[in-house]
Amino acid sequence: QVQVVQSGAEVKKPGASVKVSCKASGNTFTRNAIQWVRQAPGQRLEWMGWIIVGNGNTKYSPKFQGRVTISRDTSASTAYMEVSSLTSEDTAVYYCAIETYATGCCHFDYWGQGTPVTVSS
Amino acid sequence: QSALTQPASVSGSPGQSITISCTGTSSDVGAYNRVSWYQQHPGKAPKLMIYDVSNRPSGVSNRLSGSKSGNTASLTISGLQAEDEADYYCSSYTTSTTYVFGTGTTVTVL
Repeated sequence: QVQVVQSGAEVKKPGASVKVSCKASGNTFTRNAIQWVRQAPGQRLEWMGWIIVGNGNTKYSPKFQGRVTISRDTSASTAYMEVSSLTSEDTAVYYCAIETYATGCCHFDYWGQGTPVTVSS
Repeated sequence: QSALTQPASVSGSPGQSITISCTGTSSDVGAYNRVSWYQQHPGKAPKLMIYDVSNRPSGVSNRLSGSKSGNTASLTISGLQAEDEADYYCSSYTTSTTYVFGTGTTVTVL
């Protein structure tokens, strides 16, 4: 069974950056894609971007292009998502989700527990 | 990329059936059979319930079923139970190789 564990809650000031980690275990890490999704308080899920772990290719939502960077460390079976130039509107729970390709593509099989990020002066 | 459109809320009595719609465009829902559905209980992470329009992952109740017609996908929950009370989100792969989620639907069991 795949398990996904994210880093802990963060509190940041406006203008700062935050980097969230996502560690997967239970399958071959390099065969996954890692998706990042956020959810502001009381709001819907919002897709941010993905990384194909095997080759490092990334794709970002146009909304976050240029302000979000997704990376991975295959030796640590961990993916990262960094958001820069934070504002209060970035206050949200950030989720990573694993796309294992065990049943084909384009759906998020396993989710991390979420990382709350609060942006406040 | 605009969010897929879902009804804000749907309710039903125990044992009844409900259907949640998810309307997109020819660039997302209508483009591929790559629509998935997620259940989210309050304070919890989402959970995959349906993928590729109508397939259930192992362990998901067969009371859930999915379908699609044109640019609209649907999730039906039959034999409604108290444990089905949650938020549900659809998601679609798009022609831009990105993903888009729906606006979310709160299911209430009366």
